[in-house]
Amino acid sequence: ETGVTQTPRHLVMGMTNKKSLKCEQHLGHNAMYWYKQSAKKPLELMFVYSLEERVENNSVPSRFSPECPNSSHLFLHLHTLQPEDSALYLCASSQVQALYGYTFGSGTRLTVV
Amino acid sequence: RKEVEQDPGPFNVPEGATVAFNCTYSNSASQSFFWYRQDCRKEPKLLMSVYSSGNEDGRFTAQLNRASQYISLLIRDSKLSDSATYLCVVNRDDKIIFGKGTRLHILP
Repeated sequence: ETGVTQTPRHLVMGMTNKKSLKCEQHLGHNAMYWYKQSAKKPLELMFVYSLEERVENNSVPSRFSPECPNSSHLFLHLHTLQPEDSALYLCASSQVQALYGYTFGSGTRLTVV
Repeated sequence: RKEVEQDPGPFNVPEGATVAFNCTYSNSASQSFFWYRQDCRKEPKLLMSVYSSGNEDGRFTAQLNRASQYISLLIRDSKLSDSATYLCVVNRDDKIIFGKGTRLHILP
């Protein structure tokens, strides 16, 4: 496999559920990112991992919990979400300085009911 | 002032026409620049990097003006398939900053 792969593609969860989003990259990149994109809104950066360390947390509520076990994998653990958390969640990867831009995964479309 | 600003559009352009849009950035220390394309309900995809000398890829031309702090994207002979949102992206201090995007509709 090549590129950035996200699973699942679609997820419907109740407000009391716990679920995880997975991202995997096979590009040899060493930085990974979670973005949220709500309907008709711009991308919002959530978390940045560089060399497996979290270097940025953009005031994201604690009901979102990222995990980066190695440079190829990134998870976003979800619990007690709210309906307004329904959005497209995009994973991206890059080299640390991102001088050549990002590569995005196809995203997980999350619906919280 | 926002760090990266784009006209949100939409730009409604007839097929075959030439269309151009700009993006301004506020931080002169910005190091690298990109245009991304995002189709409805899909992920952004890198369209092209923007180099100081300007660069061309088929019907697409990107230019950078550091003195005035803007980048531009020109699309010639537009196709229906060019309809999308075009995101201006700036790299500053290892941070990638996305513009809100310009929506382009190519009309048949």
